[in-house]
Amino acid sequence: QQQVKQSPQSLIVQKGGIPIINCAYENTAFDYFPWYQQFPGKGPALLIAIRPDVSEKKEGRFTISFNKSAKQFSLHIMDSQPGDSATYFCAASGKSGGYQKVTFGIGTKLQVIP
Amino acid sequence: EAGVAQSPRYKIIEKRQSVAFWCNPISGHATLYWYQQILGQGPKLLIQFQNNGVVDDSQLPKDRFSAERLKGVDSTLKIQPAKLEDSAVYLCASSRDRDYNEQFFGPGTRLTVL
Repeated sequence: QQQVKQSPQSLIVQKGGIPIINCAYENTAFDYFPWYQQFPGKGPALLIAIRPDVSEKKEGRFTISFNKSAKQFSLHIMDSQPGDSATYFCAASGKSGGYQKVTFGIGTKLQVIP
Repeated sequence: EAGVAQSPRYKIIEKRQSVAFWCNPISGHATLYWYQQILGQGPKLLIQFQNNGVVDDSQLPKDRFSAERLKGVDSTLKIQPAKLEDSAVYLCASSRDRDYNEQFFGPGTRLTVL
């Protein structure tokens, strides 16, 4: 069962554009929603995260929008740069059996062309 | 602060052979995770350790996969015998504690089973 659905699977934007990646979840027990960035040959690295008590969080050029009632959240990258080309994973985390358990989306491969 | 270390970075084996991966987490991190990342998919949790005890191995194919974390520090993941479908990147991650959300990932080991 895919608990976190992510779309699109790939995305191409021009430099300066605003790519948007969407995720939806099913389990209302999730209480932490991180986004990870992964470059080829590297492990994922935490980019930005949000909790369900806020609707938006910004860190630099990266913004998470969160809609608790719709159980959806999205990542926006402002003024995208070629260096942002990577695979982005959304994830959802919640307590299960006394510990935090993270479920990842399928990933979105972003290419920013100059 | 040194990151999560993994070795080897690449491994190619024949099906039915055995293979082992090693992980050294960030110093002081109590929680250690092994993930399997198949090409084009998000990381899937195989096993989670809290110190040297297992807290979740529900998705570990126990007939062929085993893992241990002796002394609550380094960990090894073993596959015996390997199947073609085990071809993937095996990621190790660590976090400060099981209640702490941020996970730090190593670079992964890319396994190819021929």
